[in-house]
Amino acid sequence: GESVGLHLPTLSVQEGDNSIINCAYSNSASDYFIWYKQESGKGPQFIIDIRSNMDKRQGQRVTVLLNKTVKHLSLQIAATQPGDSAVYFCAEKYSGGGADGLTFGKGTHLIIQP
Amino acid sequence: KAGVTQTPRYLIKTRGQQVTLSCSPISGHRSVSWYQQTPGQGLQFLFEYFSETQRNKGNFPGRFSGRQFSNSRSEMNVSTLELGDSALYLCASSIRGAGTEAFFGQGTRLTVV
Repeated sequence: GESVGLHLPTLSVQEGDNSIINCAYSNSASDYFIWYKQESGKGPQFIIDIRSNMDKRQGQRVTVLLNKTVKHLSLQIAATQPGDSAVYFCAEKYSGGGADGLTFGKGTHLIIQP
Repeated sequence: KAGVTQTPRYLIKTRGQQVTLSCSPISGHRSVSWYQQTPGQGLQFLFEYFSETQRNKGNFPGRFSGRQFSNSRSEMNVSTLELGDSALYLCASSIRGAGTEAFFGQGTRLTVV
């Protein structure tokens, strides 16, 4: 089936700067998207989600942007902190049917430089 | 409230053996999904159970099976283990299903030797 991909495997940012992690998806029928953070030795942790009837959603220090025209999803983290170091995954789902659960991208490793 | 609990955390098995992993979802969550995570393939969906019924299934061989009990706890079984089954097995619980906000456990690290 179609899958979600990420533009960069590794992103290095300075502490205090803003981080932008990108994700491209190929299934234009996908209508639900989630960003997860996975720290070493732990399971993925839910960060924020967005449905296809929205183009922006904000959480605490995080913003998800959805551009359905180009099938692009991004996660913005404001004032990056050392604790933000992790692998970030985007996941997509077509809730209208099909036998799949969430489809995950390969992940972007966010590295915070002091 | 308590999160998703997976047991055991680590497991070492020999090729040909079978293994059973357990997942206790967040209280009130009726959906449990299982995923396999490997460095090469990333996170891949195995199957989802909702109210004791398998609702969705990914593209894995029949050696991978599962079940869900009336208290929503779920087990995943892998028979005739192969070296390639070595992975982190994650379960995720959600209130309504795999297309809604899902919370993951810490996973079971299975090593097949």
